[in-house]
Amino acid sequence: GDSVTQTEGQVTVSESKSLIINCTYSATSIAYPNLFWYVRYPGEGLQLLLKVITAGQKGSSRGFEATYNKETTSFHLQKASVQESDSAVYYCALSGYGGSGNKLIFGTGTLLSVKP
Amino acid sequence: EAAVTQSPRSKVAVTGGKVTLSCHQTNNHDYMYWYRQDTGHGLRLIHYSYVADSTEKGDIPDGYKASRPSQENFSLILELASLSQTAVYFCASSDRINQDTQYFGPGTRLLVL
Repeated sequence: GDSVTQTEGQVTVSESKSLIINCTYSATSIAYPNLFWYVRYPGEGLQLLLKVITAGQKGSSRGFEATYNKETTSFHLQKASVQESDSAVYYCALSGYGGSGNKLIFGTGTLLSVKP
Repeated sequence: EAAVTQSPRSKVAVTGGKVTLSCHQTNNHDYMYWYRQDTGHGLRLIHYSYVADSTEKGDIPDGYKASRPSQENFSLILELASLSQTAVYFCASSDRINQDTQYFGPGTRLLVL
């Protein structure tokens, strides 16, 4: 089936250090999946951080980057220098027409804690 | 101003009781969704709606009903709440063209005892 895997439930990084949050996907019923990162700040709803619809392309927003790698079926989220305000839960997701319909399939989320 | 609001933000319910979760959006979106999140799971789709007075089943609809009385409002109803329905519930909205770009409410934390 179609699924998204985030292996780290929680990540702690010191301020100004680099970050990588891993995401891999399986899209057996979707020929051309779209890939997303959503973020949930404390007390707020999820909001779209970035979206990439073409394999090989990179998306970026607020200093975060993610590259759609079809060969490794990965969409890792990276940032060169995190800030305390980046503390939030990050969700990788995919969508696309196929057996699952045009709907979002989410990973379990990764809680990022940035230490001052 | 928050475009998707949910009420209540948290609730304690008794097993077998009726629970109604409400969602209101001011995005003028056609689509609205209800998800639940449990520890160790991603958000899972319960019900969705693409037009007022019509609802569709998502991936895990059993034990839930939905109601869309207007474009702005979408409710999730647990007629007989069970322990297994303890979770965080999220409402979201999207437009017709970009259904996968969704705008979420802050969530409702439901505890069934």
